[in-house]
Amino acid sequence: GAVVSQHPSRVICKSGTSVKIECRSLDFQATTMFWYRQFPKQSLMLMATSNEGSKATYEQGVEKDKFLINHASLTLSTLTVTSAHPEDSSFYICSGKETQSGRSGYTFGSGTRLTVV
Amino acid sequence: QKEVEQDPGPLSVPEGAIVSLNCTYSNSAFQYFMWYRQYSRKGPELLMYTYSSGNKEDGRFTAQVDKSSKYISLFIRDSQPSDSATYLCAMSKGGGIQGAQKLVFGQGTRLTINP
Repeated sequence: GAVVSQHPSRVICKSGTSVKIECRSLDFQATTMFWYRQFPKQSLMLMATSNEGSKATYEQGVEKDKFLINHASLTLSTLTVTSAHPEDSSFYICSGKETQSGRSGYTFGSGTRLTVV
Repeated sequence: QKEVEQDPGPLSVPEGAIVSLNCTYSNSAFQYFMWYRQYSRKGPELLMYTYSSGNKEDGRFTAQVDKSSKYISLFIRDSQPSDSATYLCAMSKGGGIQGAQKLVFGQGTRLTINP
């Protein structure tokens, strides 16, 4: 089946630094990539939607200058948390969808646990 | 009011029991309905994918969609301890060849199957 590889799985960084999270679709072309964050015991909250080669569309309340999303190829999307602060500590998950062939379902990465100290 | 409502639980049942998980929603534009299973600190894994109303069965899992009532269900038969996880319902307004549409998730129900 479709696989999205997400790295790193865990990262601890100092306040004020930037962290990059990568998601690669291994056996399909992710025309669209969704980025979510999930706080403990809560559901997934969509942060942004990116289409390959286009600027990402951010959900209301998500700072686009803080959460930089790049989707330069059909198999790679990245999320960079810039100038991270402790309140950015969360579980970040990407989800890829192939829209060209009409395959159903969204494939999720395994998530990245970010801790900002 | 949230677009998708799901009882967060926790729900605890003995091994072998039939589990019923449910979600209600308010937006009649939703057409695609999914159930995901999420183990602790992992990404969600797709269990069932249903278009419009009806039933779909896959092994021990059955998904039901009642669009008239805006109500979806997931049944797990012969539940196993390995089924212990958080189950998330999700839905979208369009998908497939229509193009990717963002998913709206329920809060997730934490399920524990006791041996």
